Amino acid sequence: GAGVSQSPSNKVTEKGKDVELRCDPISGHTALYWYRQSLGQGLEFLIYFQGNSAPDKSGLPSDRFSAERTGGSVSTLTIQRTQQEDSAVYLCASSSASETQYFGPGTRLLVL
Amino acid sequence: AQSVTQLGSHVSVSEGALVLLRCNYSSSVPPYLFWYVQYPNQGLQLLLKYTSAATLVKGINGFEAEFKKSETSFHLTKPSAHMSDAAEYFCAVSEDGNNRLAFGKGNQVVVIP
Repeated sequence: GAGVSQSPSNKVTEKGKDVELRCDPISGHTALYWYRQSLGQGLEFLIYFQGNSAPDKSGLPSDRFSAERTGGSVSTLTIQRTQQEDSAVYLCASSSASETQYFGPGTRLLVL
Repeated sequence: AQSVTQLGSHVSVSEGALVLLRCNYSSSVPPYLFWYVQYPNQGLQLLLKYTSAATLVKGINGFEAEFKKSETSFHLTKPSAHMSDAAEYFCAVSEDGNNRLAFGKGNQVVVIP
């Protein structure tokens, strides 16, 4: 079956612009996660959704970052007024009750 | 809070030799432990996971890991390295089966022919 998909695969933007990153989880998976992977910080948790609600937003680095999930499926991570330190690979994962998180291929964001 | 330590960012191993990647964790509750592999320009792929069943866990591609509570360790091994094992390997811990993962810094494995 289809895995987790993310779009776009690559995004280049100018400092100060807003970006939206999309995640399509595996069908039927109720939990959805966003992580960020960067050279300096490694893999960092950003936010976790259970259904459409986000019980854990503690990893979002600043109020420029927000995420939503609609219909218990697709999620969008929005970064406002991007900064160069936002450059990273943004990974999405989803899981059911099996504890295993399945990851998408990621979106590579470069802020110039 | 949960955390994972992986020492040695780069690990070189000869083809056919033992692969050993060390992972130590910190958790206030019985943990769920995972090893993921990442090939260049790809997402993370699950190698194996420990969820309080058998302490010796077998995964894909000939990898296995042993949970040792007394040592708070979950080291990954493979008896004989293949060239295709060249990738980055991440150990991760979760205190709840359906919650955030805390990752180690990763080990970049290079296989020498």
